[in-house]
Amino acid sequence: DADVTQTPRNRITKTGKRIMLECSQTKGHDRMYWYRQDPGLGLQLIYYSFDVKDINKGEISDGYSVSRQAQAKFSLSLESAIPNQTALYFCATSDFSGELFFGEGSRLTVL
Amino acid sequence: QKEVEQDPGPLSVPEGAIVSLNCTYSNSAFQYFMWYRQYSRKGPELLMYTYSSGNKEDGRFTAQVDKSSKYISLFIRDSQPSDSATYLCAMSARSGGGNKLTFGTGTQLKVEL
Repeated sequence: DADVTQTPRNRITKTGKRIMLECSQTKGHDRMYWYRQDPGLGLQLIYYSFDVKDINKGEISDGYSVSRQAQAKFSLSLESAIPNQTALYFCATSDFSGELFFGEGSRLTVL
Repeated sequence: QKEVEQDPGPLSVPEGAIVSLNCTYSNSAFQYFMWYRQYSRKGPELLMYTYSSGNKEDGRFTAQVDKSSKYISLFIRDSQPSDSATYLCAMSARSGGGNKLTFGTGTQLKVEL
């Protein structure tokens, strides 16, 4: 089983719908992250959390929210999806060293 | 201008070739430099990690940092079809924080038989 698991792996939705992407990890790391990957833009940080009570905005947090339900679970929500949120989303974890361990990604298409 | 520039490719080479992948950056505070490899439909995985200037070798891979030129490179010797992937450079001014990383856009590499 993967150390960092993302669900769903693929999702097609319509403008205005609420979407939740879920992430769970078995690496025992306190730090969790949500990134977005777009062609030509690379990986951009949306939100990050260093422990269950800590939530921080990244560089592109507008239109997104997160919930850290437990040390091992970190979910990303789009309250009202729009087409320019069509992208590949990655959850990642790290320990204090900073090396990131990524999930396999969730491909979201907003029509 | 982006803080980190990386040629997107695609770069196509024959098996056995030496590959050079490069990134330039503008932030002189960057001290920690990483290369991540991303296979198709997978998440990135850390390939090389270097601190400050100099070279670091790991098998067929060599990471080189030239802070005076704000330029980093990843060399792959005796390239194999299994090296076909997108290579992302990443860098930060501090250690330990995934939130502090700035990524390049990635270079797509194809190694052909």
